[in-house]
Formats: sequence, C-alpha cells, structure tokens
Amino acid sequence: NAGVTQTPKFRVLKTGQSMTLLCAQDMNHEYMYWYRQDPGMGLRLIHYSVGEGTTAKGEVPDGYNVSRLKKQNFLLGLESAAPSQTSVYFCASSRALSYNEQFFGPGTRLTVL
Amino acid sequence: AQSVSQHNHHVILSEAASLELGCNYSYGGTVNLFWYVQYPGQHLQLLLKYFSGDPLVKGIKGFEAEFIKSKFSFNLRKPSVQWSDTAEYFCAVHSGGYQKVTFGTGTKLQVIP
Repeated sequence: NAGVTQTPKFRVLKTGQSMTLLCAQDMNHEYMYWYRQDPGMGLRLIHYSVGEGTTAKGEVPDGYNVSRLKKQNFLLGLESAAPSQTSVYFCASSRALSYNEQFFGPGTRLTVL
Repeated sequence: AQSVSQHNHHVILSEAASLELGCNYSYGGTVNLFWYVQYPGQHLQLLLKYFSGDPLVKGIKGFEAEFIKSKFSFNLRKPSVQWSDTAEYFCAVHSGGYQKVTFGTGTKLQVIP
C-alpha cells in the first residue's frame, strides 16, 4: 500500500518548457488535490477533483491545467513554465467530503530557470 | 470565503518548554478543523482534527488542541516539546458549503536541545 505517490521528485525546466506532474493514489479516494508550497505562503490550492472526469479551480489555477481520467491518477500540467512557478508541489487525496483527512504525497521540487 | 491565520511564523523553544501555536479562522458557521505537521524532508501528515463534541482534541505525540468557538480559534498545545518536534505546523479549516480545505501559512517550530 503505497498511499500517494508523485512523479518526478525533482525537475528543472527552462522558461517556456512544458511538463506534467503525475500523482497516483491506491486508497480508492474520491477527492484529489494539487497544492503548491512557497516560503511564507503556506499551502495554496491549485486545482482539485471530486471524482473521475471532474476538475475544479482552486486559489491559484493560472498557468496550470489538470486532468483526472482515471480515479487513481491526477495530472498537473504546466504548458509554458515561468520562474514564478518555481515551487514544491504536493498532491493529496481524501475520501469523499472535504472534511476528511487528506493524505499527502512526498512532493515534487520544481525549478524554472 | 473561509480563511485561516497563523500569527506565529517562526517559533524557537528549548526542549521541555511548553508550546502553544495560534490558529484563527474566519468562518462563522459549522467548521471542521485540522492541524497537520511536516517534519523536515517529509510530507504533511495529520496531527489531530476536530469535527464535533469535546472541544479539547488529543492527537499523536502528546499534542492537543482546543476549539474555542467564541474566539474562532483552534490553538495547538504541547506541555513539553522535544527536539523531534522540530517541524512546520499547518492549521486548516473546512467549513460548510466549501468543497475544499483552506490551509494557514504555517508555523516553523525549532526546538533546541
């Protein structure tokens, strides 16, 4: 039982490049989330999903896209990376209803030069 | 919109000192409250949560938190900290009508041996 896993763990991009972060969970959770963590800003929600095939915007969605084609996977895409997107990205999942405990992945450290 | 405030950004304590980290939220209705912890190099994990009932909630590793509705507060406490408590602590709130949890900006705790 791996819980929540994220791929890759580290990545360096040049401005304008694109990439996709993969999140996978094996707990059969309905809800999945993408956050970014920046010093002094805490965790900010980028996008979230309440079920397969559904996505919704969080606090800071600009410059990101997401997809949830399978219940266990939640993809975060950066179409044209910018230095402001340098951050640590965390994926999380929870059972249905948002007041349930969220289980977090180990994070992806992304640097955009 | 719901919001969470953590007023202490960085706290330094000596081992055996008592700890209290402040958390205030903005929503006036029914809330569910959480404290998460992020140890150095690790992902976030749940420390404790409040849904209803006894406003004094006990969590793992000797931590507790008290929900005071009249003060919109959910402060985290520990009578005697250890070096291993060095971590970043996040308060989070879910309130009725929102499909997501809002995190505070975090408090970094450094415990000096």
